[in-house]
Amino acid sequence: DTGVSQNPRHKITKRGQNVTFRCDPISEHNRLYWYRQTLGQGPEFLTYFQNEAQLEKSRLLSDRFSAERPKGSFSTLEIQRTEQGDSAMYLCASSSRPVMNTEAFFGQGTRLTVV
Amino acid sequence: GIQVEQSPPDLILQEGANSTLRCNFSDSVNNLQWFHQNPWGQLINLFYIPSGTKQNGRLSATTVATERYSLLYISSSQTTDSGVYFCAVGKAAGNKLTFGGGTRVLVKP
Repeated sequence: DTGVSQNPRHKITKRGQNVTFRCDPISEHNRLYWYRQTLGQGPEFLTYFQNEAQLEKSRLLSDRFSAERPKGSFSTLEIQRTEQGDSAMYLCASSSRPVMNTEAFFGQGTRLTVV
Repeated sequence: GIQVEQSPPDLILQEGANSTLRCNFSDSVNNLQWFHQNPWGQLINLFYIPSGTKQNGRLSATTVATERYSLLYISSSQTTDSGVYFCAVGKAAGNKLTFGGGTRVLVKP
């Protein structure tokens, strides 16, 4: 068990460019979550998957954002036409389907800077 | 949605001191977790504690679900305890977590 892995760790991009982040969850976890954290704030929920199905999306997830989990394993989060307001830490978490324990584990995050 | 409030927002401690961090939430939950965010941004799991009391070394936590609050105790604080502590809660559907604003702890040598 290597934990939740996110790549890249840091991304600097020019405004208007597209970026894609990857998350590899803990292998036996079937739930995967994306969160966004801006400076000085707690993380905010963006979206989650159970296996390959995207079951909920936050209103924070504008139409420039898309997330996929095609085979129910890793997930990607793409931001199109990036804006300076997209600069944040993007965190991925995973958990197992709740029976007795729904504990979520987080990756190291991808820090995005839009210049 | 659920509201989560943490107090105090900032805490400065002398090394060796004890402290209590509080988390209040506005609705019944089936998941409550405490995290420590390190300087590189990673959220480190401290406790999964939807109810009851747990201890891990110098840290302990208590959640009183019926009164909608949780407490994190830090005893004999060390400089490595510095950082931001987050409380996060979740309900049954999807178990997405709602985070509080965090408590920023600075432990001085």
